[in-house]
Amino acid sequence: KQEVTQIPAALSVPEGENLVLNCSFTDSAIYNLQWFRQDPGKGLTSLLLIQSSQREQTSGRLNASLDKSSGRSTLYIAASQPGDSATYLCAVSYAGGTSYGKLTFGQGTILTVHP
Amino acid sequence: DTAVSQTPKYLVTQMGNDKSIKCEQNLGHDTMYWYKQDSKKFLKIMFSYNNKELIINETVPNRFSPKSPDKAHLNLHINSLELGDSAVYFCASSKLVTRTKYNEQFFGPGTRLTVL
Repeated sequence: KQEVTQIPAALSVPEGENLVLNCSFTDSAIYNLQWFRQDPGKGLTSLLLIQSSQREQTSGRLNASLDKSSGRSTLYIAASQPGDSATYLCAVSYAGGTSYGKLTFGQGTILTVHP
Repeated sequence: DTAVSQTPKYLVTQMGNDKSIKCEQNLGHDTMYWYKQDSKKFLKIMFSYNNKELIINETVPNRFSPKSPDKAHLNLHINSLELGDSAVYFCASSKLVTRTKYNEQFFGPGTRLTVL
C-alpha cells in the first residue's frame, strides 16, 4: 500500500527562523512529488513540483529536495514569516499503469510562525 | 484568470437530498480529478477523467456519480446524501505527458458540503 507520512504534524516557530518539513513515502517508484500550501478554509496552492529525476527545486525562500532511494522529501523554508502560517501538504504521484496521475497525500504539517 | 473553478463554494442540505457540484478548468488540461477532504483534513482521490473517459474510480459509494461533458468540465452528482458525506470536495486538473505520467496538478478552491 502506498503511503505518505509527514512529520511533524504541527510546528510553531518564531519569525525569521529557518525550518524543515519532512515527507516520507513507502514506494520509491514515484513519477513526481508536489508540495502544496493550504490556508484555513481555502484551496490548495501548488508550491513546488519535483520530478523523479530531479534532486531539488527552488522557488524564492522555498527549497524542496527529493531522495527517491530513501523515500524522503524535505521542504526548507528560509527566514520564515507570519504569512507562511498554513498547512503544508506533500503529495506523491506514482508511476505505473493504473495510477493515472492520482496524488497520494500526507496528513500535512500545520505551521505557525509567530511574530 | 486561468484557473480551476468550482461552484458552489458552500452547500448546506438535508439528508436524503440530491446535489451537484460543478468544476471547470481553463488551463487546457486533459485530465480532471475529484478529491475529498474529510474532517481530519485528509485528502483522498475519488475519481479522475481523461478526455471525458473515466480512468480512476476509487472505492466510492455509487451514490456518487461523476460526469465529464467535455475536457474542461467535471461535475459530481451525489444522490441520497448522508451525514458522512459532509466534507470539502476539491476538483483538480493536470495534463497527460505519457500514457501513465501526468504533470503538476492544480486545484480548485473547494466546495464545503454540509449535510444536516
